[in-house]
Amino acid sequence: QSVLTQPPSASGTPGQRVTISCSGGSSIIGSNTINWYQQFPGTAPKLIIYNLNERPSGVPDRFSGSKSGTSASLAISGLQSDDESDYYCAAYDYNLNEWLFGGGTKLTVL
Amino acid sequence: EVRLVESGGDLVKPGGSLRLSCAASGFTFTNAWMSWVRQAPGKGLEWVGRIKSKPDGAATDYAAHLIDRFIISRDDSKSTVFLQMNSLKTEDTAVYYCTSSLVIPGAHNDYWGQGSLVTVSS
Repeated sequence: QSVLTQPPSASGTPGQRVTISCSGGSSIIGSNTINWYQQFPGTAPKLIIYNLNERPSGVPDRFSGSKSGTSASLAISGLQSDDESDYYCAAYDYNLNEWLFGGGTKLTVL
Repeated sequence: EVRLVESGGDLVKPGGSLRLSCAASGFTFTNAWMSWVRQAPGKGLEWVGRIKSKPDGAATDYAAHLIDRFIISRDDSKSTVFLQMNSLKTEDTAVYYCTSSLVIPGAHNDYWGQGSLVTVSS
């Protein structure tokens, strides 16, 4: 069972904005050291958000990250069919010196 | 071009040991911190651990529940990072990825290998 809690599934229609949450303790989410990864079946994950709300080069600005209280969120605007994928949050626990993953969210584009 | 190529995945019996290798190229390996991440079949991602660069002491950190059985090491002369897995359990069955991600908080290097399948079964 993951320390970080994500909904197992999310869905939206093309063009819509969807959000995926990642809930955890204040000591973990509070650090802002939160990454989001996108993973297609059979492939390695890809970093799409780091440091809560920063995008690596090449990641479209349709992807954004935010936080409210002890919950982080990934938002995808202008949803496209090729956004259909699994999404994972990861946060760094400074007390344990380890990275923790959420359980993952399967995003379906209807 | 950055490449990470894992090898060593195999079928192993419970209680056995296995060592995975990850050969790196296309970047300055001696300065790189590296991590291992695993994914059980049909399940989510799990961070295994990381090794710092030798200039940073080559110290290791592990997921708390793996620290007694898994060991990460590196050979900078071969640009290779290793994952030694001991006392393997069926629940260690997973694809193991080496990556430059999930090392330093706030960093955004994001290179991944193709993964190496470890199956623990009698």
